[in-house]
Amino acid sequence: SQELEQSPQSLIVQEGKNLTINCTSSKTLYGLYWYKQKYGEGLIFLMMLQKGGEEKSHEKITAKLDEKKQQSSLHITASQPSHAGIYLCGADGSGNTPLVFGKGTRLSVIA
Amino acid sequence: GAVVSQHPSRVICKSGTSVKIECRSLDFQATTMFWYRQFPKQSLMLMATSNEGSKATYEQGVEKDKFLINHASLTLSTLTVTSAHPEDSSFYICSARILDGLETQYFGPGTRLLVL
Repeated sequence: SQELEQSPQSLIVQEGKNLTINCTSSKTLYGLYWYKQKYGEGLIFLMMLQKGGEEKSHEKITAKLDEKKQQSSLHITASQPSHAGIYLCGADGSGNTPLVFGKGTRLSVIA
Repeated sequence: GAVVSQHPSRVICKSGTSVKIECRSLDFQATTMFWYRQFPKQSLMLMATSNEGSKATYEQGVEKDKFLINHASLTLSTLTVTSAHPEDSSFYICSARILDGLETQYFGPGTRLLVL
């Protein structure tokens, strides 16, 4: 079965600093999703990557999928307190297999 | 570990009928459950947040009169798709938030709805 491993598990950065979160899959990814979760809230969809080498940006967040489609990174530029939360990568299972998620990266941004 | 179940796992219904999907936390109490929808080859999208004993909070663009959510107990939330149409065909997934200080969400296996 497919597994997603995220690193780091937690991250504390100073406001204004850049950071990167990684997501590695045990199998080739056919669709990789990045989500953000704030305290007490549901997952909020950030970006979806499908093609090898694909890169997408939204505001100060950039996500990339490597050429082999087994690793993705999420990069935040000039972090702000509003970026704090848990970032999860997710992928579809095959057929009727439930969605697969990484364990998440807890990001704290300190002033 | 915590288990969340959904029933039914798949359902086929005629256009215009209503379908109820149940989400249960089997071995823990969940004051908050979330309902998501996923269309084929698309991302999981949050539809609503269901809080036990109070009205659900719906995301922008989700019709609350069409997607009725009831969270009657700490272990059960239901989503009723009223007057279903073919465009409502989707994969509906719930998750339950466990109060472990880590904000862990446990996801159900999903319900595949096909409206003919």
